[in-house]
Amino acid sequence: SQQGEEDPQALSIQEGENATMNCSYKTSINNLQWYRQNSGRGLVHLILIRSNEREKHSGRLRVTLDTSKKSSSLLITASRAADTASYFCATTDYNQGGKLIFGQGTELSVKP
Amino acid sequence: KAGVTQTPRYLIKTRGQQVTLSCSPISGHRSVSWYQQTPGQGLQFLFEYFSETQRNKGNFPGRFSGRQFSNSRSEMNVSTLELGDSALYLCASSTASGGTGELFFGEGSRLTVL
Repeated sequence: SQQGEEDPQALSIQEGENATMNCSYKTSINNLQWYRQNSGRGLVHLILIRSNEREKHSGRLRVTLDTSKKSSSLLITASRAADTASYFCATTDYNQGGKLIFGQGTELSVKP
Repeated sequence: KAGVTQTPRYLIKTRGQQVTLSCSPISGHRSVSWYQQTPGQGLQFLFEYFSETQRNKGNFPGRFSGRQFSNSRSEMNVSTLELGDSALYLCASSTASGGTGELFFGEGSRLTVL
């Protein structure tokens, strides 16, 4: 079963616009991670936010975490064509012995 | 520091055959996790090894197995291949086990079963 579920499944925007992706999860977490995957390649870690943090920034990325709603969002500001990729949230499922479980991802397309 | 290396990158097998995939983690990383990625099921956790011990296993049949060597390199094996085993197999290494830390992924091994 999936621990995290991203929304929307696909997002298409113009360069320069902001992109927001959401992730909901089911169980208690210690941290939540976001990863990016360019088509057919390996995943690249973007950011990790701990359960006691509400917001975290890294360059053009802003991640928020609301543990009461079991949800997180990833905001990419001033998007570029190079941001075109799939974005996944991941959480550790301790009910299943501790393993990093990924959502289905949001496919972002940034048009020049 | 060299990244995670997976070999082979591409391979084609026929039903009933078996396949072995290799993963060399980042130097100093003792945790290696394996994932299967398909368009229909997304990223599915296969198993994790830490210091040569399997720490966790996903919901895959016994045809899927793995191991880790003393130098932290890992292999996964799939026996009696089925068409549905066609996928991108991703390996990731980390300093911590149990999915608590950042994973560093390789580029994957793309398996096609005919």
